[in-house]
Amino acid sequence: GAGVSQSPSNKVTEKGKDVELRCDPISGHTALYWYRQSLGQGLEFLIYFQGNSAPDKSGLPSDRFSAERTGGSVSTLTIQRTQQEDSAVYLCASSLGRGRERTQYFGPGTRLLVL
Amino acid sequence: AQRVTQPEKLLSVFKGAPVELKCNYSYSGSPELFWYVQYSRQRLQLLLRHISRESIKGFTADLNKGETSFHLKKPFAQEEDSAMYYCALSLNTDKLIFGTGTRLQVFP
Repeated sequence: GAGVSQSPSNKVTEKGKDVELRCDPISGHTALYWYRQSLGQGLEFLIYFQGNSAPDKSGLPSDRFSAERTGGSVSTLTIQRTQQEDSAVYLCASSLGRGRERTQYFGPGTRLLVL
Repeated sequence: AQRVTQPEKLLSVFKGAPVELKCNYSYSGSPELFWYVQYSRQRLQLLLRHISRESIKGFTADLNKGETSFHLKKPFAQEEDSAMYYCALSLNTDKLIFGTGTRLQVFP
């Protein structure tokens, strides 16, 4: 079946502009995660959605970052007033949720470059 | 604070040599640990998880709570093992805390 998909695959923007990154999780997966992969920094947790529960936003680096998950499926990560340090690969993952089915399946990522 | 440490950024070996990628964690709770791998131009994927106690592609990893380690091992490296390897710790809330990764290069 189809895996996690993300769009766009690449995004180049100018400093100060807003960007939206999209994630389509695997059908039926109740949990969705956003991570950021910066050069030399590894993968950094950003936000986590589980079903209808309030999202865990503890990893968002600033109030310029926000995310939504509509209808328990597609998610959008929005970065407002982008800065050069926001340049990174943004990864989305989904899983069946809690318990033993915690395996997260990752999308291909969106590579963001802020000029 | 929860943390995953991978001390080696790069590990280079020749084909057939043993490989050990180090991972140490700090977490006061009951840890659940994973190894993820990212081959060139491919997405990040799960390699193995400690609760499964299985061997995947010849790799094994044993959780050592005394040493707070979860090192990844393979007795005979293959060229196709060349990739980026990430150790990750799952917290009760299911989010993953990743290490900074180790690039494994296996030379012919």
